[in-house]
Amino acid sequence: AQTVTQSQPEMSVQEAETVTLSCTYDTSESDYYLFWYKQPPSRQMILVIRQEAYKQQNATENRFSVNFQKAAKSFSLKISDSQLGDAAMYFCASGGADGLTFGKGTHLIIQP
Amino acid sequence: EAGVVQSPRYKIIEKKQPVAFWCNPISGHNTLYWYLQNLGQGPELLIRYENEEAVDDSQLPKDRFSAERLKGVDSTLKIQPAELGDSAVYLCASSLGARTGELFFGEGSRLTVL
Repeated sequence: AQTVTQSQPEMSVQEAETVTLSCTYDTSESDYYLFWYKQPPSRQMILVIRQEAYKQQNATENRFSVNFQKAAKSFSLKISDSQLGDAAMYFCASGGADGLTFGKGTHLIIQP
Repeated sequence: EAGVVQSPRYKIIEKKQPVAFWCNPISGHNTLYWYLQNLGQGPELLIRYENEEAVDDSQLPKDRFSAERLKGVDSTLKIQPAELGDSAVYLCASSLGARTGELFFGEGSRLTVL
């Protein structure tokens, strides 16, 4: 069984600034993946970034990067140079043999 | 490449009426998921298919919900009879396999039960 906790229901950041979204997880699996998904108001979930748990190096995708602390079971998302198009719900998810388990999400607001 | 297709996008029904949602996954994706997403919440798994087999339906309320994936491609999720608390977005997703990681989502079907 897996659980994912996102403790920030809402975050706000000024355009062009950096913001970090927090996520902690718990899993009994040794082989798992971690994800951040973005869900704009249109509702379609889009993958932002993915991390294989066996890899020590933190994943990066352009302005998006993660801080993966395996021992602490922490998986935060950093968004640099925030843009208006980044405004959305962000969901952290943990995946293994049984598919993905999602957190409750963080609503990210971008202030122009 | 076509993404995951769901229909209808929106459905409004009276309570106690039946409703069905349809999902066409990405071609070649063996694993198909139905998730329930309540307003302001994260998706919660209802059922997962590996090809035609429902390998995890532990969270599916079987008294009123049913699902099928004939021929291991398209899937339908049915609710009969619908209750007020069933108002939510029903998301379909597919992947190459449960252990390959990334899920690809459809746009969802928003159900309103009056």
